[in-house]
Amino acid sequence: DAKTTQPTSMDCAEGRAANLPCNHSTISGNEYVYWYRQIHSQGPQYIIHGLKNNETNEMASLIITEDRKSSTLILPHATLRDTAVYYCIVIGGSGGSNYKLTFGKGTLLTVNP
Amino acid sequence: DGGITQSPKYLFRKEGQNVTLSCEQNLNHDAMYWYRQDPGQGLRLIYYSQIVNDFQKGDIAEGYSVSREKKESFPLTVTSAQKNPTAFYLCASSSPSVTGRYEQYFGPGTRLTVT
Repeated sequence: DAKTTQPTSMDCAEGRAANLPCNHSTISGNEYVYWYRQIHSQGPQYIIHGLKNNETNEMASLIITEDRKSSTLILPHATLRDTAVYYCIVIGGSGGSNYKLTFGKGTLLTVNP
Repeated sequence: DGGITQSPKYLFRKEGQNVTLSCEQNLNHDAMYWYRQDPGQGLRLIYYSQIVNDFQKGDIAEGYSVSREKKESFPLTVTSAQKNPTAFYLCASSSPSVTGRYEQYFGPGTRLTVT
């Protein structure tokens, strides 16, 4: 599975959009980009995933660059409850391990009042 | 409500004792997983099971054992052979045939402290 690079931490003002970047320059053509988040002392929560096209659901939007080497998770109107560690995971493809997720250190997003 | 339950939330044990962490799911998911998380670190996979009566080692299986006798249950035993057992343990489940292939649902976790 491809390796990802995320900033260690980010801040965002409440009510503003939070844009969390992720670099995955070694991603292969059939690998997916998944995003999870983990609120302090809780289990991780699935947010969204994508392959090539941009995706949107009730929680967030995922923008994947055309070359697929990076992506951005967008929380359109961040709230204090969105303060969490956000994990970008690239997985799948012919060489990927079935079902195994590899969580790095992620990005600690702090939403400030 | 469907979900994953882990009990207890906090667990304290003396060094040298085996301890079993409970994980139950009523989501009818085929696959279940155990992860370990140390302070300030990401999650590391201990064991996973794709079907009943079958399981595979993850990246850090040494000192741990599991069983999968029922679809709903995947208990993890932390044995005395695990050198650094104090950690936050997370159980997860998934149903790749139904949801996204790598969409896993996590329980609330058990924080184990061994002294």
